[in-house]
Amino acid sequence: DGGITQSPKYLFRKEGQNVTLSCEQNLNHDAMYWYRQDPGQGLRLIYYSQIVNDFQKGDIAEGYSVSREKKESFPLTVTSAQKNPTAFYLCASSITSEGYEQYFGPGTRLTVT
Amino acid sequence: GNSVTQMEGPVTLSEEAFLTINCTYTATGYPSLFWYVQYPGEGLQLLLKATKADDKGSNKGFEATYRKETTSFHLEKGSVQVSDSAVYFCALRRKGNTPLVFGKGTRLSVIA
Repeated sequence: DGGITQSPKYLFRKEGQNVTLSCEQNLNHDAMYWYRQDPGQGLRLIYYSQIVNDFQKGDIAEGYSVSREKKESFPLTVTSAQKNPTAFYLCASSITSEGYEQYFGPGTRLTVT
Repeated sequence: GNSVTQMEGPVTLSEEAFLTINCTYTATGYPSLFWYVQYPGEGLQLLLKATKADDKGSNKGFEATYRKETTSFHLEKGSVQVSDSAVYFCALRRKGNTPLVFGKGTRLSVIA
């Protein structure tokens, strides 16, 4: 089946540790995105990539880093510089033509204590 | 800038009631508009979309019409079910290759 996978579903880390969230898609989409979701805040864009080896900061990129070495993969690293990393993280992908929707993965819930 | 404003929730309805969730947007040009639904602990699923003015998107009994004159894309359903309980997000995508911009979401609870 085509789709987006995110792993793991739940992730626990100690404060001060970097952690990498996985996102893989087999939809042959050029563009991939990372969003953060907090209660009452909706979705906020962290980073996005429209093509391999290129990516742009979103609205809340501070404390996060990404790479896009393969079309299928867009991992997100939450660094120790992120002040409040506990959240639900959603990965998405889309084709780059106008009017097309984004497809979302199931999300990873990160808890940092 | 580009933004989406949704009515605040939570919205609580009885089964078979009529549903309206208001959504208005601010954007340059004529964006594409979307409604997504999120069930507890899951990612977002596309519910419906409209890509130009006066288009009506529909799916699973839900409808929304792209109103350029009022910059709105209100979600409606004639008779809600308990299984419709979820969080609903309105979103826009500007012309060109840009990420979606989301509203804050509206939580709907339907009681039997």
